[in-house]
Amino acid sequence: DVKVTQSSRYLVKRTGEKVFLECVQDMDHENMFWYRQDPGLGLRLIYFSYDVKMKEKGDIPEGYSVSREKKERFSLILESASTNQTSMYLCASSLKHRVSQPQHFGDGTRLSIL
Amino acid sequence: AQSVTQLDSQVPVFEEAPVELRCNYSSSVSVYLFWYVQYPNQGLQLLLKYLSGSTLVKGINGFEAEFNKSQTSFHLRKPSVHISDTAEYFCAVSDVDTGNQFYFGTGTSLTVIP
Repeated sequence: DVKVTQSSRYLVKRTGEKVFLECVQDMDHENMFWYRQDPGLGLRLIYFSYDVKMKEKGDIPEGYSVSREKKERFSLILESASTNQTSMYLCASSLKHRVSQPQHFGDGTRLSIL
Repeated sequence: AQSVTQLDSQVPVFEEAPVELRCNYSSSVSVYLFWYVQYPNQGLQLLLKYLSGSTLVKGINGFEAEFNKSQTSFHLRKPSVHISDTAEYFCAVSDVDTGNQFYFGTGTSLTVIP
């Protein structure tokens, strides 16, 4: 069965810390995505990547960066965490240029910034 | 870019009653359409998808959806809901001819009342 694994289900960090959220997929997908999910706002795209070492800004990239050193791993980095980054973060993957195929999601990381 | 509208943010319904969750998208270009379900503290799971062919699509857990091109809609239905259907439901759209992105609605929270 296909699998997208996010390293932490729950994470608590302090304001100003550098925070890393990790995502690994075992489906050999080229595309990987980071979303944040907030009540009433649905899923908002932060960054995505089409291939190793490639990245594209999504709709809300401010305050975030990403790293894709290996095909299976896509990391989201909060450079200096702030309380307004408290949210649920979802990682997803999909086949490149195959938008007929759905995205596969991890279980999410609920991040609290104190 | 597409925009996806889920007008109903919350839908309460009694157990064994029928339900319809509405989804409209903005562009009339060729699209693929998806419905996802999110149970509490989990990621998104695919319920069903429309790629082409018959406009009535059947998915898992007894759900179905109907694609209406003229109304740019893809409403989700179930004739008789169960308590276990309580979850968040997201509609998503991708353009057939462009890129790798998916566009999500803001979600509908379905609560099934015993």
